[in-house]
Amino acid sequence: GEDVEQSLFLSVREGDSSVINCTYTDSSSTYLYWYKQEPGAGLQLLTYIFSNMDMKQDQRLTVLLNKKDKHLSLRIADTQTGDSAIYFCAESGDTTSGTYKYIFGTGTRLKVLA
Amino acid sequence: DVKVTQSSRYLVKRTGEKVFLECVQDMDHENMFWYRQDPGLGLRLIYFSYDVKMKEKGDIPEGYSVSREKKERFSLILESASTNQTSMYLCASSEPGSANYGYTFGSGTRLTVV
Repeated sequence: GEDVEQSLFLSVREGDSSVINCTYTDSSSTYLYWYKQEPGAGLQLLTYIFSNMDMKQDQRLTVLLNKKDKHLSLRIADTQTGDSAIYFCAESGDTTSGTYKYIFGTGTRLKVLA
Repeated sequence: DVKVTQSSRYLVKRTGEKVFLECVQDMDHENMFWYRQDPGLGLRLIYFSYDVKMKEKGDIPEGYSVSREKKERFSLILESASTNQTSMYLCASSEPGSANYGYTFGSGTRLTVV
């Protein structure tokens, strides 16, 4: 079945770059997503990438997609303490009803050290 | 600016009780979802609904049911709560054909079953 895997923890120093990695199994996914969850909150869509793209940049965020290896990464430049959160990778999958259904990874807890 | 509202942030229930978790969205979205979030397991889909009175099982529907009588409201029901249903429950909504816009999540309900 479909599966999305991430490492559970990442710790970086303030000002450094963070790279959060994700591997997925469903090669038919049209979109891949990164969500951020701050403490006590729901998930917030950070960015997404269309499957025919290799890279997408949005201010401090860079998403890289390697379709051959089914590998997705999120790079956060100049990481700040406010970036401390859990980051979820997700791929879209279709259901029998045609509804988009996301498969989420386990989440990577990013801790930024001052 | 709140778009997906979950009625309770924290809930404590006894084993065997029937529990209702409520979710309301004000964006007129067709699709609504219930996930549970557990450490190390990420988000797992319980049920979703793609239209009023329509529902489809997710990956872990056992012990749960849902109700969608009105477009804006999607209820998750624990028929007879058990301690292994202690978890964070997240509701989300989305619009068909808007896979690139992702889900909008509520803030979550942390349920403890004692």
